[in-house]
Amino acid sequence: KAGVTQTPRYLIKTRGQQVTLSCSPISGHRSVSWYQQTPGQGLQFLFEYFSETQRNKGNFPGRFSGRQFSNSRSEMNVSTLELGDSALYLCASSWDRESGYTFGSGTRLTVV
Amino acid sequence: GENVEQHPSTLSVQEGDSAVIKCTYSDSASNYFPWYKQELGKRPQLIIDIRSNVGEKKDQRIAVTLNKTAKHFSLHITETQPEDSAVYFCAAYGSSNTGKLIFGQGTTLQVKP
Repeated sequence: KAGVTQTPRYLIKTRGQQVTLSCSPISGHRSVSWYQQTPGQGLQFLFEYFSETQRNKGNFPGRFSGRQFSNSRSEMNVSTLELGDSALYLCASSWDRESGYTFGSGTRLTVV
Repeated sequence: GENVEQHPSTLSVQEGDSAVIKCTYSDSASNYFPWYKQELGKRPQLIIDIRSNVGEKKDQRIAVTLNKTAKHFSLHITETQPEDSAVYFCAAYGSSNTGKLIFGQGTTLQVKP
């Protein structure tokens, strides 16, 4: 089966700009979770969407937002970028017995 | 709040030795505990997981043990090989916290040939 697809793989943005990242889960999966990975804070949960509804949200400022479309693809948006937003952003598809939560390859965001 | 503590942060072993990584979780409602391996520049990949109604699970050279009373779980890798070198993350999931994995800080495992 096709895996979790994240685009783009790399992004460089300037402080103050905004950015949109995309995640397509495994075909047939209806849930997408987003995580931020940094060397200092590790993997931290951002939010989770199921059937176009946000079911859970982590402790991140309102500059971080997301949405999910009817085809289960999800986007996350970060507005007014700060240097500290530089990170690897990972999304995960719904849990299944064989693979647990499957992660995409991530989007590496660098804010300069 | 929810928290997962993971130790050690780095671990170096000789090829063929065993490696043990330990995690402690805070949320007693947690009922699912996966372990992920992340190689440099790659995505985290599930290597083994355990549910709270099971005390131990094995898959070839990898095993996980869970002590619900102590809120403690461990990863055991036997007969380590250089390709086991990576960062390993433990995580905890509670059914009351939909879609949210709480991760430990990670352990960098180096297996010396």
